[in-house]
Amino acid sequence: GENVEQHPSTLSVQEGDSAVIKCTYSDSASNYFPWYKQELGKGPQLIIDIRSNVGEKKDQRIAVTLNKTAKHFSLHITETQPEDSAVYFCAASRNNRLAFGKGNQVVVIP
Amino acid sequence: DAGVIQSPRHEVTEMGQEVTLRCKPISGHNSLFWYRQTMMRGLELLIYFNNNVPIDDSGMPEDRFSAKMPNASFSTLKIQPSEPRDSAVYFCASSSDRVGYGYTFGSGTRLTVV
Repeated sequence: GENVEQHPSTLSVQEGDSAVIKCTYSDSASNYFPWYKQELGKGPQLIIDIRSNVGEKKDQRIAVTLNKTAKHFSLHITETQPEDSAVYFCAASRNNRLAFGKGNQVVVIP
Repeated sequence: DAGVIQSPRHEVTEMGQEVTLRCKPISGHNSLFWYRQTMMRGLELLIYFNNNVPIDDSGMPEDRFSAKMPNASFSTLKIQPSEPRDSAVYFCASSSDRVGYGYTFGSGTRLTVV
C-alpha cells in the first residue's frame, strides 16, 4: 500500500517567516494529495489539496507543490502568524483511500 | 451542514467496560472512516465503509473492536471489553466517492480507559 513520509517532525519559525513541510510518497499511481491542519482538541481540517495533473496550487498564504517524478510534495506557508501553529498532516491517495503522514508540529514564535 | 458529528466528546471508563462511540457523517457522503490517533502511532485507519458496507477492517486491532453502519447517516465503533491501551482519540471522517474529495473529520472522541 501507499507509504507517506513527512519531514521534519517539528518546525519552529519566527512570526512573518516562511515554513515549508515536505512529504514523500511511494505509490506512483497516487493522484490526490491533500494537506490537513489539526489544532489542539480538534479534528484534522482540510486546508489545501492538489491533483496529479497540476504542479502547484496557491490559496492566499498557503501553497502546495507537487513533483510526480520525485514523488514528493510540499506545503508552503508564507508570512506565518501565531494562528498557523498546529500539526500539519499530508496524505496521498488514488482511490479515495488516504494514507497519512505522521504529522508535523509547526510552532510560530511571536 | 453541521459537518461530521461525533459523540461523546469525552469518555472515561473502567477497564473491562463496553464503550460505544457514535458518528453521523455528512449527508450525501457515502464513505465513512474510523481512525484512532495516538502520539506514538499517529492517525491509524481502523475501518472503512462504502455505501454502508465494510470494505476494509484490516486496521481493527483485535476482536474486541467492532464497527457497524446500519444506515447512511449513522455508524458506531464498539470496544468490548475496553483496556487501558485503547486510550486514544477516535475520529470519524466521511467523504464522497468522487475522486479528489478530501475527508471531513469530526471533532473526535477522547477515550480514557482507567
